[in-house]
Formats: sequence, C-alpha cells, structure tokens
Amino acid sequence: EAGVVQSPRYKIIEKKQPVAFWCNPISGHNTLYWYLQNLGQGPELLIRYENEEAVDDSQLPKDRFSAERLKGVDSTLKIQPAELGDSAVYLCASSHRLAGGNEQFFGPGTRLTVL
Amino acid sequence: GNSVTQMEGPVTLSEEAFLTINCTYTATGYPSLFWYVQYPGEGLQLLLKATKADDKGSNKGFEATYRKETTSFHLEKGSVQVSDSAVYFCALSDLQGAQKLVFGQGTRLTINP
Repeated sequence: EAGVVQSPRYKIIEKKQPVAFWCNPISGHNTLYWYLQNLGQGPELLIRYENEEAVDDSQLPKDRFSAERLKGVDSTLKIQPAELGDSAVYLCASSHRLAGGNEQFFGPGTRLTVL
Repeated sequence: GNSVTQMEGPVTLSEEAFLTINCTYTATGYPSLFWYVQYPGEGLQLLLKATKADDKGSNKGFEATYRKETTSFHLEKGSVQVSDSAVYFCALSDLQGAQKLVFGQGTRLTINP
C-alpha cells in the first residue's frame, strides 16, 4: 500500500512569491491534515478535512494561506505571498475515521525555504 | 489548552544503553497518547500509543505507560541500537477518532556504536 505522497519535497522561493504544495493521501482515507513544522519544533495543525469539508481551519492564517481538497482526495496548500517566516516543513497526513483508531499516517513533508 | 512537554534534547547514548525520554501532558478529559518517530529524511511514523489510563503501548522494544496520576507517558527501551537514532515526538489526541494531534517539541536521539 502506498503511503502519503507529497510534492515537491523541497522548494526555494523569494519572499512575496506564491507557492503551492500537493498531497495525495492513502487510498480510502477520508480525513486529511496539513501540519506546519518549524525547525526544532513539533508539528502544529493548520487545517483538517473530512472528505472535502474543512472542519478545523482555526490555525490557518487565512490572509495568505489557502487550501482545497477537491473531490475529497488530493489536497493543495497555497501561500500567497510567502514571507521569510514561512520557511518550515509542511506535512500532510491522512487517516481513516472508521478504522485503525486515531492513527495518522504522515507524508515526508515539503521543506520550504523563503529567501 | 492541551499541551505536551518533552525532555529537552539532544540525547546521546552508547549502543545497548537504557533509554528514557520523558513526556508530560496537560489536557482536559482523557486524551489518547502517542509516540511518533521521525527518521532522517522520512515522515513521522507512529511508534506506539495508549488510549486510557494504565495502558502500556509497546513496539520494536520501546514501551510507554499512560500514567494519569502523574500525567506522563515516558518512552523507554532497555537496549538501544544505532538504528534507533531519530527524533521522537510525544503527542496527544484530545478526542477519540481521527482528531487533532498536539505534539511536543521533539527529542533528537543519537546512538553511538
């Protein structure tokens, strides 16, 4: 079974530029999460989807961040415009609400560097 | 709000040493508790979990016991190997089911041969 796929793995951009990250969850997983992981810190939830509905986006900075999960499968997280402080690892995770308890499966992450 | 505090790292041990990484939490209600591990260049992987007080999670020689009275979930392993070198994260989930995870800051473990 394939794991959570994220792309790109690395991205370097200049400040004020837009950037997008893509996530393909494990097949059949209806819950999808985006986390932000700053250097030396644990991940922090940005947004959680149940199918195509964003059910918890309270930590998403909506002035510059947006996310979508069309058709309840793949998801895209966008930052526009990026700021220096957005340099971090962006993690995607997925889980199946009705199976396996509350285990979340994580992708390898996208490391963003804003210059 | 809910929070997790982990033992500060980095931790460096020799192979076959005994490992303890401390984790304490603050939460309302009865959270589920987890240890995740992140090997270099990889995503987080669930190492073990416990869903109620006095439960013991175990996997790959690692163990942790959910202690409600001390609000702790310390990770232990009797004899570490070089391959255990990684970053370890303690986390809690405040509701059953696929809900939000709150992580500690992580502890980097290095095992020397």
